[in-house]
Amino acid sequence: DTAVSQTPKYLVTQMGNDKSIKCEQNLGHDTMYWYKQDSKKFLKIMFSYNNKELIINETVPNRFSPKSPDKAHLNLHINSLELGDSAVYFCASSLGLAIVNEQFFGPGTRLTVL
Amino acid sequence: RKEVEQDPGPFNVPEGATVAFNCTYSNSASQSFFWYRQDCRKEPKLLMSVYSSGNEDGRFTAQLNRASQYISLLIRDSKLSDSATYLCAVNNQAGTALIFGKGTTLSVSS
Repeated sequence: DTAVSQTPKYLVTQMGNDKSIKCEQNLGHDTMYWYKQDSKKFLKIMFSYNNKELIINETVPNRFSPKSPDKAHLNLHINSLELGDSAVYFCASSLGLAIVNEQFFGPGTRLTVL
Repeated sequence: RKEVEQDPGPFNVPEGATVAFNCTYSNSASQSFFWYRQDCRKEPKLLMSVYSSGNEDGRFTAQLNRASQYISLLIRDSKLSDSATYLCAVNNQAGTALIFGKGTTLSVSS
């Protein structure tokens, strides 16, 4: 009965490759997020979607493309991976757009680019 | 000034100690404040929201000081299981996302 799940948990790949991370939530939430946590543990918002519509697109290279096929899923595709993309990527979800609502995080995907 | 700043620590305290962390924020119009807890190699989890009047949840007390633009987290009677990184979060200017601090690491020893 995992609330927010991500696959894969670990991803090791070569520079220049393209990879995807999947996220699913079964909480009935309508807002989903992608965060990046770098080696210095800084957790930063990348994207948010509400009802499949893009709400936030922070200053993220356009090699990163999120896709929300439905409210329960938000996937992240990364083209032409670079060394600096190595980080832990967390998906999160919440109910509605109100920022006061608790965000539930997935377990993270640890991406290592060699 | 960074949007959200925390002392990274680590704070090393014995069991039973009282420890407090502060988190400063730059946007005076911020309305939503939170403390999240993150265990090593795990996801962040909401510890508590921070209300204007301050709030308490068991051994944990959160307070907001709007004049000085900081929030605080007080942990009383520290337990070994409190060892973790504590992240503060504040809403962004548009109110659409959370901005997290880099976290304060707490280590409680017996």
